[in-house]
Amino acid sequence: DAMVIQNPRYQVTQFGKPVTLSCSQTLNHNVMYWYQQKSSQAPKLLFHYYDKDFNNEADTPDNFQSRRPNTSFCFLDIRSPGLGDAAMYLCATSSDGQGRSQETQYFGPGTRLLVL
Amino acid sequence: AQTVTQSQPEMSVQEAETVTLSCTYDTSENNYYLFWYKQPPSRQMILVIRQEAYKQQNATENRFSVNFQKAAKSFSLKISDSQLGDTAMYFCAFMKRHDYKLSFGAGTTVTVRA
Repeated sequence: DAMVIQNPRYQVTQFGKPVTLSCSQTLNHNVMYWYQQKSSQAPKLLFHYYDKDFNNEADTPDNFQSRRPNTSFCFLDIRSPGLGDAAMYLCATSSDGQGRSQETQYFGPGTRLLVL
Repeated sequence: AQTVTQSQPEMSVQEAETVTLSCTYDTSENNYYLFWYKQPPSRQMILVIRQEAYKQQNATENRFSVNFQKAAKSFSLKISDSQLGDTAMYFCAFMKRHDYKLSFGAGTTVTVRA
């Protein structure tokens, strides 16, 4: 089945220690997104890639970076995690293609980040 | 920025009964999409239903249906014959066409009681 995959599902890091979260997709979608979601809140968009074009949200901290080496993979790098960065990180994808799913975002299962 | 309002933080429904979740939004756009997403306690966000603003016909997916009132900027979700597996947080979301940004409501937690 085509899907959005996130690894790892749980990540524990130390305060200030860089961490990378990964996302891959088999949907061949051209747009990929990273969201941060804190408990009982709506997801907050950090940035998205339209093909190779990177689009950062204005209020995304500089501590968060992203890489998209190819269509299938996207990475979220947190350079110096703070306690406030503990959250669920969701990856999503969408496509410009025609049809019922046009521009609809499909989410991965998320990576829960714990900062000690 | 678009505003999406879900005025019901929590709702409870008996199994097999019907529950309706409200959602209103504020936009000056004419061409947009509306979505309902479900996020069960396991936390994966799942698309429930999608509505294109230019379509007058309300979208339906099995037991889930919407009442889309474009003039009133209202997009409610009806869950019929509720099942225990419907227990989740439900998010209403808006996206302007070709904008690639979802604006989410605050969510409604639905609990289905056995």
